[in-house]
Amino acid sequence: DTGVSQDPRHKITKRGQNVTFRCDPISEHNRLYWYRQTLGQGPEFLTYFQNEAQLEKSRLLSDRFSAERPKGSFSTLEIQRTEQGDSAMYLCASSFQQATSGNTIYFGEGSWLTVV
Amino acid sequence: QKEVEQNSGPLSVPEGAIASLNCTYSDRGSQSFFWYRQYSGKSPELIMSIYSNGDKEDGRFTAQLNKASQYVSLLIRDSQPSDSATYLCAVIPIYNQGGKLIFGQGTELSVKP
Repeated sequence: DTGVSQDPRHKITKRGQNVTFRCDPISEHNRLYWYRQTLGQGPEFLTYFQNEAQLEKSRLLSDRFSAERPKGSFSTLEIQRTEQGDSAMYLCASSFQQATSGNTIYFGEGSWLTVV
Repeated sequence: QKEVEQNSGPLSVPEGAIASLNCTYSDRGSQSFFWYRQYSGKSPELIMSIYSNGDKEDGRFTAQLNKASQYVSLLIRDSQPSDSATYLCAVIPIYNQGGKLIFGQGTELSVKP
């Protein structure tokens, strides 16, 4: 399978615990995005990387959230001291960007987080 | 005003009918527009992209773009029950150099047999 891969697909954690999600983008895609989606809403942008550089973070990304993309390949999204409001689907997406137009973004299957 | 707006629905159409999904956006300079389909509990799947005014057809799907009216639509001809899903409109605003998508809240479509 050469699509965007996310792990784990489902995570149940107790409030206050830390969780980490991993994303493996489509091979050779230089851009990687993290989104969060709650029930009945469209995906909300969290952050994105171009190669290994994190170029933008949303105001939604509180200090408890951190993302990395070492070596410009896979990425991790860590949530520290989880809260019930963090319960959502975390979506990773990737694209290959050569110019400012025609950027097609492909999503992974998502990682469901439930904080109890 | 939200950057991308869609009617949340649900939109219900009979099998075989044309389903029309609409989307408006606030950034007049936006250049790239996308429609994603999302089945319940699944991730968004790209259906169509459109960059120029007018219509773009792909099988049973037609995307329509009117930049003057800041309006994008998706028509689904000969709707099938398998088309029942949430349809997400997404835009890349001109101010956005990172290519990130701004999504609407999605329109739920139900196709009745």
